[in-house]
Amino acid sequence: DTAVSQTPKYLVTQMGNDKSIKCEQNLGHDTMYWYKQDSKKFLKIMFSYNNKELIINETVPNRFSPKSPDKAHLNLHINSLELGDSAVYFCASSQADGGLVGETQYFGPGTRLLVL
Amino acid sequence: GENVEQHPSTLSVQEGDSAVIKCTYSDSASNYFPWYKQELGKGPQLIIDIRSNVGEKKDQRIAVTLNKTAKHFSLHITETQPEDSAVYFCAATWGSQGNLIFGKGTKLSVKP
Repeated sequence: DTAVSQTPKYLVTQMGNDKSIKCEQNLGHDTMYWYKQDSKKFLKIMFSYNNKELIINETVPNRFSPKSPDKAHLNLHINSLELGDSAVYFCASSQADGGLVGETQYFGPGTRLLVL
Repeated sequence: GENVEQHPSTLSVQEGDSAVIKCTYSDSASNYFPWYKQELGKGPQLIIDIRSNVGEKKDQRIAVTLNKTAKHFSLHITETQPEDSAVYFCAATWGSQGNLIFGKGTKLSVKP
């Protein structure tokens, strides 16, 4: 009965490969997010998405793309992986409805990506 | 855009002492300020939050204060215990969809 789940937990791959990370939430939330946490523990938002709008952090390379098959899922696809993509990626969800009011975000356990 | 500064980056206290972590933000439109605790190998967990219409909130040993005029907010942990050892993040809302900008984290160590 995990609220926000991610798979896989660990991902080791070669440079240049394409990979996907899956995220599912069973909280009935409207908005989902992807964050990147680097080796210094800095948490940076990459994307936020609800059924109305995708907001992309302008610093995210276009090799990264979110895909949402339905409201409960937001998967992260990464093309042409680079060494600098190695990090922990967290999915989160909240009840935010696209407006300006902040709501609690619930985080998944993270996916540890290592690019060799 | 929003910028959130967090201090200190590391904090070491004796068990039973208090710990205070401070954050400042830049966007006066920010209206929600959560604090997250991240234990090793896990995702961030919300421990307390405060909205812009409230100046202080307390939950047992944890309290948060907000000064909207000065654009800063603080986390206070009293009677610290070894299990409080973790990395703590403050955050502030930015833009729409409840997006959060996080501080760079504070590694708290509580020595028994």
